[in-house]
Amino acid sequence: AQTVTQSQPEMSVQEAETVTLSCTYDTSENNYYLFWYKQPPSRQMILVIRQEAYKQQNATENRFSVNFQKAAKSFSLKISDSQLGDTAMYFCAFINAGNNRKLIWGLGTSLAVNP
Amino acid sequence: EAGVAQSPRYKIIEKRQSVAFWCNPISGHATLYWYQQILGQGPKLLIQFQNNGVVDDSQLPKDRFSAERLKGVDSTLKIQPAKLEDSAVYLCASSRGNSGSGYEQYFGPGTRLTVT
Repeated sequence: AQTVTQSQPEMSVQEAETVTLSCTYDTSENNYYLFWYKQPPSRQMILVIRQEAYKQQNATENRFSVNFQKAAKSFSLKISDSQLGDTAMYFCAFINAGNNRKLIWGLGTSLAVNP
Repeated sequence: EAGVAQSPRYKIIEKRQSVAFWCNPISGHATLYWYQQILGQGPKLLIQFQNNGVVDDSQLPKDRFSAERLKGVDSTLKIQPAKLEDSAVYLCASSRGNSGSGYEQYFGPGTRLTVT
């Protein structure tokens, strides 16, 4: 079965510190894409970062980076220099490559950045 | 580039009434998705369109929910009759297609539905 597990329902971090959100997934396929989405309270879901499974290099977008461990099927998100605006639900998701596939979502991690 | 548009943003109806939501995807995006998001949960895919054809509607409660995507662009999602458990945020998303960055889904602001 294709699943995504986010083992931390809630996390908190002090402003300017670094936090890591964990994500593990399960798929029997070899070619897929992984995503982290952010959903601030009562606001729009936005894409934070994307990782192609065939790439060994970890993706980075400004303060956001991932630690992708394909063999372990692990895809954690690191947020550096946390800001108050990073307070949000963070969802990990993946999609297998190919036609007409659907995104498999985790249940999310609620992150609070404290001043 | 304009984002995914949705309307209305909020809707309050009584149970057994009907309601319709509208979505306009990003221009050129072939794939359109409707999700239901219950408070505190992740999005649940209701229906996925590729152009104007249905790809996946396995989790759409077809006795009360219907959706269409005329001409492969705009889409409407309808609920008739609504139940209390339909209270949720309905998200529309779109993506370019099936390769590389085409898998990225872009979301609209959502419609918050309250059924009383």
